[in-house]
Amino acid sequence: ELKVEQNPLFLSMQEGKNYTIYCNYSTTSDRLYWYRQDPGKSLESLFVLLSNGAVKQEGRLMASLDTKARLSTLHITAAVHDLSATYFCASIAPDSNYQLIWGAGTKLIIKP
Amino acid sequence: DTEVTQTPKHLVMGMTNKKSLKCEQHMGHRAMYWYKQKAKKPPELMFVYSYEKLSINESVPSRFSPECPNSSLLNLHLHALQPEDSALYLCASSQGVYNEQFFGPGTRLTVL
Repeated sequence: ELKVEQNPLFLSMQEGKNYTIYCNYSTTSDRLYWYRQDPGKSLESLFVLLSNGAVKQEGRLMASLDTKARLSTLHITAAVHDLSATYFCASIAPDSNYQLIWGAGTKLIIKP
Repeated sequence: DTEVTQTPKHLVMGMTNKKSLKCEQHMGHRAMYWYKQKAKKPPELMFVYSYEKLSINESVPSRFSPECPNSSLLNLHLHALQPEDSALYLCASSQGVYNEQFFGPGTRLTVL
């Protein structure tokens, strides 16, 4: 059964700092998604990672996937206040009946 | 058109009311989803339609009734809801059940 764990669940950081959110999943999967959610809003797709070693970058966010370690990371570089949001990772696998299995989410607060 | 639309944005209903949530996409996606999201939690899958047929029903109470009139539209009919059904209801679509999901803006439902 596919399970997805994120850590940390809460992160408060200063602007200009770097940090990483971790997403572990329990069974074989070759796709990993990262979503962003602002308070009271819907989910915005950030990254789709489809293969081992995949790395994608958009602005100050960079996501990577290591399928052997069953680990994805979302790295924030020189954080700015606008990146404050909740970030979810999710994975999908045949043994999840092709349903997205979600991490609990990481609430990120970036202080000026 | 690369978005999923949902109406209404907000809905307040009594426990004896009947209402419907509507979702539409024009991306040619063949899979559509209903999710329920409570505050500070990841989305919970309710229903999946694939090629206009219900393929997954996650043990949702019968007071929620999905309908897929055509490949672009998805409805969620609500009847005799309980206060604990108050949540953000999200619609999503994807090319197939194994592909990236795109979310609509959601309907904020309050049951009195």
